[in-house]
Amino acid sequence: AQTVTQSQPEMSVQEAETVTLSCTYDTSESDYYLFWYKQPPSRQMILVIRQEAYKQQNATENRFSVNFQKAAKSFSLKISDSQLGDAAMYFCAYRLGVSGGGADGLTFGKGTHLIIQP
Amino acid sequence: EPEVTQTPSHQVTQMGQEVILRCVPISNHLYFYWYRQILGQKVEFLVSFYNNEISEKSEIFDDQFSVERPDGSNFTLKIRSTKLEDSAMYFCASKLLALGTQYFGPGTRLTVL
Repeated sequence: AQTVTQSQPEMSVQEAETVTLSCTYDTSESDYYLFWYKQPPSRQMILVIRQEAYKQQNATENRFSVNFQKAAKSFSLKISDSQLGDAAMYFCAYRLGVSGGGADGLTFGKGTHLIIQP
Repeated sequence: EPEVTQTPSHQVTQMGQEVILRCVPISNHLYFYWYRQILGQKVEFLVSFYNNEISEKSEIFDDQFSVERPDGSNFTLKIRSTKLEDSAMYFCASKLLALGTQYFGPGTRLTVL
């Protein structure tokens, strides 16, 4: 079974600074997808960024980028120029690719609570 | 921008009662999901649904749970006889393509007394 581990229960960063959230995963598959979701106090899950395992290039979405290290099974999220609105729980998630057949439920980590200091 | 909606936002029920949580996925999406999040814990996959049948379910999704797409727009999760431990936030999600991204609704907070 696949597992996702987020080893940082809580992180704090000054506004406008850069912060990196860690995520490691365990899988024997080669075809999979990785995601970062944000959950603000409203508790809605919002997609931040997605990475296909077959792509070597790291995904980027504006101030959000990932460092995907497939051999190390590591998928960290970097937030540049942190803003107060970035304060939230951040969840790393994994799902199988096409080769997994119908199995495409997301497996989530326990989350990292990101605090932005003004 | 289209979004997944869920009703009610908060449901309170007595232990042993049946509850139905409702979701309206994004209109042209084909794949549907339910997840739950017990307070303070991680989000857990319950079930996925495609082409009018369950395509995958987790160990949590036992005989007390069922899902249905009764018409072209709604997707429901039924818990037949609620237990205290069913208290959680329940999220619906949908996606258009097999390799697409799942978009989540705002969740329904279920409280079982």
